[in-house]
Amino acid sequence: AQTVTQSQPEMSVQEAETVTLSCTYDTSENNYYLFWYKQPPSRQMILVIRQEAYKQQNATENRFSVNFQKAAKSFSLKISDSQLGDTAMYFCAFSPSGTYKYIFGTGTRLKVLA
Amino acid sequence: DAGITQSPRHKVTETGTPVTLRCHQTENHRYMYWYRQDPGHGLRLIHYSYGVKDTDKGEVSDGYSVSRSKTEDFLLTLESATSSQTSVYFCAISEEKVNSPLHFGNGTRLTVT
Repeated sequence: AQTVTQSQPEMSVQEAETVTLSCTYDTSENNYYLFWYKQPPSRQMILVIRQEAYKQQNATENRFSVNFQKAAKSFSLKISDSQLGDTAMYFCAFSPSGTYKYIFGTGTRLKVLA
Repeated sequence: DAGITQSPRHKVTETGTPVTLRCHQTENHRYMYWYRQDPGHGLRLIHYSYGVKDTDKGEVSDGYSVSRSKTEDFLLTLESATSSQTSVYFCAISEEKVNSPLHFGNGTRLTVT
């Protein structure tokens, strides 16, 4: 069975600092897609970043970047220059290539401290 | 933002009563999903649809049914609500291209007393 593990239920970071959220997954697939979603207190689920497994280059979106280690099945999210608006629950998700299946981790609650 | 509307936003109901949650999209996407979000479990798939009248079960489908009579509407029904179905329910849509990101509605918080 394919699983996604987020081992950090809660984290905190000082404003303007950098924080890394971890995500590992288990699959026998060779190609797949990985996503990070942000859920602020408003409850809205917002796509942060997307990575395709066969692309070696790590995806980046402004202050958000990933460290994708395919052999280690690791997909961590780095948030640089943390802002108060980054306070949210963050979910990692996995989707096998060629499917409409999405598997989510249990989430990491991030609090940015002023 | 993707045009996805969930209704109601909040609902409190009693054990044993039927409940229907509605998801409406204006994107004309073929794929629609219902997830539930619970602490410690993340998001778990209840049912999904790949077209009008085409639906399939997810990992936590027991106690739920769905219907899709129009492309834009996907209904989730709890035939006889139980306290274990207290949760936040999200509808999501995705584009025709496989592995497209999911776009979510704002969720419905359902409390079964």
